[in-house]
Amino acid sequence: AQSVTQLGSHVSVSEGALVLLRCNYSSSVPPYLFWYVQYPNQGLQLLLKYTTGATLVKGINGFEAEFKKSETSFHLTKPSAHMSDAAEYFCAVSVRMDSNYQLIWGAGTKLIIKP
Amino acid sequence: SAVISQKPSRDICQRGTSLTIQCQVDSQVTMMFWYRQQPGQSLTLIATANQGSEATYESGFVIDKFPISRPNLTFSTLTVSNMSPEDSSIYLCSVASGRAGDTQYFGPGTRLTVL
Repeated sequence: AQSVTQLGSHVSVSEGALVLLRCNYSSSVPPYLFWYVQYPNQGLQLLLKYTTGATLVKGINGFEAEFKKSETSFHLTKPSAHMSDAAEYFCAVSVRMDSNYQLIWGAGTKLIIKP
Repeated sequence: SAVISQKPSRDICQRGTSLTIQCQVDSQVTMMFWYRQQPGQSLTLIATANQGSEATYESGFVIDKFPISRPNLTFSTLTVSNMSPEDSSIYLCSVASGRAGDTQYFGPGTRLTVL
C-alpha cells in the first residue's frame, strides 16, 4: 500500500533560518507528489507539486521541494523562515483508485517560528 | 483553480442531533471529496461524492452515519448523523478533475463541536 511519512510532528526554527520539512513516500510507480499548507482555522492551500520533468519544484511563498527518486523523498525547504510561515504542512502522494486519483496524506508537520 | 465555499463555517451541536454541511464550487468539477480532520491530526478521507449516484465510502465510514448527496457538478452535502462528541472535527470538502497529477482544491472547512 502507498504511504507517506513526514519526519517530525513539530519543527521549530528561528526567524531567518533555513526551513527543512521531510517527506518520504512509498510508491510502486512514478509518483505525483504534493505539499499543502494549512494556516490556523483555514482550509488547505497548495504550496507546490511534482508531476513530471524538473525534479526541483518551486512553489509559493519562497518554498521549493526536490524529488529524489533514489531516496523516495520530496523534502520541502525555504532558505529563510518568516513568522508568517508558522502553519501545518502536509505532504501527499496521488494514487490511482479504480478510475480516479486520490491523495494519500502524511501525518503533517507543524512549523513553529521563533522570533 | 476552483473557488470552494462551505456552510456553515462552524457549529456547536448537541449529541444525538444531525448537521448538514454544504459545499459549493464556482465551476463544474468531476470529483468531490469529503474529509475529516480530527484535532491535531491529518486528513482522513470519508467518501467520494459521485454525481447522480451513491457516494463511495472509505473503510470505517458508512452511509447511515455520513449520508452524502451530490445533485449536480457544483454542489454536495455531507450530513453527520446522530452526533457524539467523537464527531467533533473539521470537515473539509475538496474538488479535483480526476486526472493524474491534478491538484485537489479545498474549501475552508467546517469546524464542528459536539457537546
